[in-house]
This record gives sequence, structure tokens and C-alpha cells, in this order.
Amino acid sequence: GNSVTQMEGPVTLSEEAFLTINCTYTATGYPSLFWYVQYPGEGLQLLLKATKADDKGSNKGFEATYRKETTSFHLEKGSVQVSDSAVYFCAWGPTGGSEKLVFGKGTKLTVNP
Amino acid sequence: DVKVTQSSRYLVKRTGEKVFLECVQDMDHENMFWYRQDPGLGLRLIYFSYDVKMKEKGDIPEGYSVSREKKERFSLILESASTNQTSMYLCASSSSGTGRQPQHFGDGTRLSIL
Repeated sequence: GNSVTQMEGPVTLSEEAFLTINCTYTATGYPSLFWYVQYPGEGLQLLLKATKADDKGSNKGFEATYRKETTSFHLEKGSVQVSDSAVYFCAWGPTGGSEKLVFGKGTKLTVNP
Repeated sequence: DVKVTQSSRYLVKRTGEKVFLECVQDMDHENMFWYRQDPGLGLRLIYFSYDVKMKEKGDIPEGYSVSREKKERFSLILESASTNQTSMYLCASSSSGTGRQPQHFGDGTRLSIL
């Protein structure tokens, strides 16, 4: 069935380290792909998105490229900061019909100074 | 900026009570959603609505109902609260514009059923 698989956390890094959080999806058609971030005590915020193959979404130093051939949308950041500590969710939206999103289970990132 | 407001950040209720969680959005969005978030399970969709008075079941509707009498407001109702409904509840909204529109979330209601 339709699903999103994220790398399991928690992930702990030192400040200025390189970050990759893997995300793969199972879907038919050409979904749109999203990364959301949830800071402690808050709801989810849209971090970035890509709507077609080979698109690269970027925001706040984070990037993710829509790879249709590998059905992946991995999140990367070259140099993480303590303020990036949060839970990150990958999600996809079906191409037609409903506006529902399918979310991964989330990956908790902790960045230490 | 889109604002999605959930009426309570924290709520404590007793088993068997009828519980109302309220959500209001200020961007005239057609779509509204209720999720629950549990450790290790991520977000699970309870109900969603495409328009006033419309509702569709999500993945885990059992034990819940919803009401959407006005476009800006979407209420989640626990008819008879049980301890397994202790969770974080998140409301979201989105527009129905062309392309896949992102969802905008409220800050969540942490509900404890005793």
C-alpha cells in the first residue's frame, strides 16, 4: 500500500556536522513530496517541498531532491546547529483526488554544542 | 501567515466524559484535518473535511466523531473518552488550489484521560 519510510531515530550529531535523513515512499503516479519539522512543544511546520521529479526543495539550509527512479526524498543539511534539534517528518500527497498526506513516523534529531 | 488555533494546549478529562477539541483557521481553507500523534507511530489521520458539513473517515476514526458547521471551525469529539485516547491531537488545514497544497498545523492539544 501507499506509505512513507523514514530512517529510524533518534539521530544525535555535534554542531556543524552533516545531516542526512533518509526517506523513501511507495505511491502510484506522481505525488508531491514534503518535509515537515516539529520543534519541541509545537505543531508541524512545512520545511520544504517538491512537486515533480528532479525538483529540489530548499529552506533554512536544508535540501531534498525528488528522485523518482529511487522513490526517495532524502533530507540533507551541510552544517547543523543546536536550533535544528526537532522531529522531522517526510510526507507525500497523492496526485489526484483527496488532499490527504501520508506521513512517515518521524525522525528525532538532537544537535549537541 | 496562516493561523491554525487549537482551543487548548493541555486538557485533562475523565474516562467516560464527552470531550470536545476545537480548531479554527483564518485562511478560508476548504480542507481541515484531525490527527493524533503517538511516540513511535507518527501522525495518524482520524477524520478530515473538504467542506462545510462534509466529513470523511481517516485511518483511525473509531471512538471519534467530528463536526464542521462553519468553514473556519472543525471540532473533534470523543463521545465517551477512554484511557487509550490519551495522546497529542493536531489539527491542520489546507487550500484546494492547483497542485498539492501543504497542510498548516496548529500547536496541538495534549489530552490526558484519567
